[in-house]
Amino acid sequence: EIVMTQSPATLSVSPGNRATLSCRASQSVSINLAWYQQKPGQAPRLLFYAASTRATGIPARFSASGSGTEFTLTISSLLSEDFAVYYCQQYNTGPLPSFGGGTKVEIE
Amino acid sequence: EVQLVESGGGVVRPGEYLRLSCAASGFTFEDYAMAWVRQVPGKGLEWVSGINWNGIYVYYADSVRGRFTISRDDAANSLNLQMSSLRADDTALYHCVRGPYARDPYWYFDHWGRGTVVTVS
Repeated sequence: EIVMTQSPATLSVSPGNRATLSCRASQSVSINLAWYQQKPGQAPRLLFYAASTRATGIPARFSASGSGTEFTLTISSLLSEDFAVYYCQQYNTGPLPSFGGGTKVEIE
Repeated sequence: EVQLVESGGGVVRPGEYLRLSCAASGFTFEDYAMAWVRQVPGKGLEWVSGINWNGIYVYYADSVRGRFTISRDDAANSLNLQMSSLRADDTALYHCVRGPYARDPYWYFDHWGRGTVVTVS
């Protein structure tokens, strides 16, 4: 089983500032990694797949990078609507994927 | 517009069973793999089960294998999850999710339902 570890668990950021979230895999997942955003009371929304490919409708202030075991999600200038929980998910194991524990981005 | 609407959740006793359904619309259902992902309130996401586009292959997390059965009804555009021998740690919000197109091997999930709550107590 590939274990996905996200850090930090909580990130306090002021609106307009940059947020950098990390996701680490216990073994290489190549670029088979997705990022999701979840707001309270809502279903998760796909942000990125293939480590850095933005999903439909995702604003350019969101970017993602990485390969192998280390991945990063960056929000360049946080808006109020960006405060949410972010999850990474590996799918290198095909139909047996696994999620990270999430990073909550909160208002500082 | 892709829509996934779950139903069938409820409160059951340990050891009982429950059947979840997901009504899909806005896309050609038979062309896509589907899956279930659950979330304990206030906690993270856990992949539960998946089924490939033609229903030949099914997959389960270790935590539910032997107790849960996933199936699909392409004529009805429906995904199902039969859950038996339910335990307290199955308590969660269960999301229906859309997986890869046809034979694509990339199991990320581009559309999610709002979920149906299962409480085992």
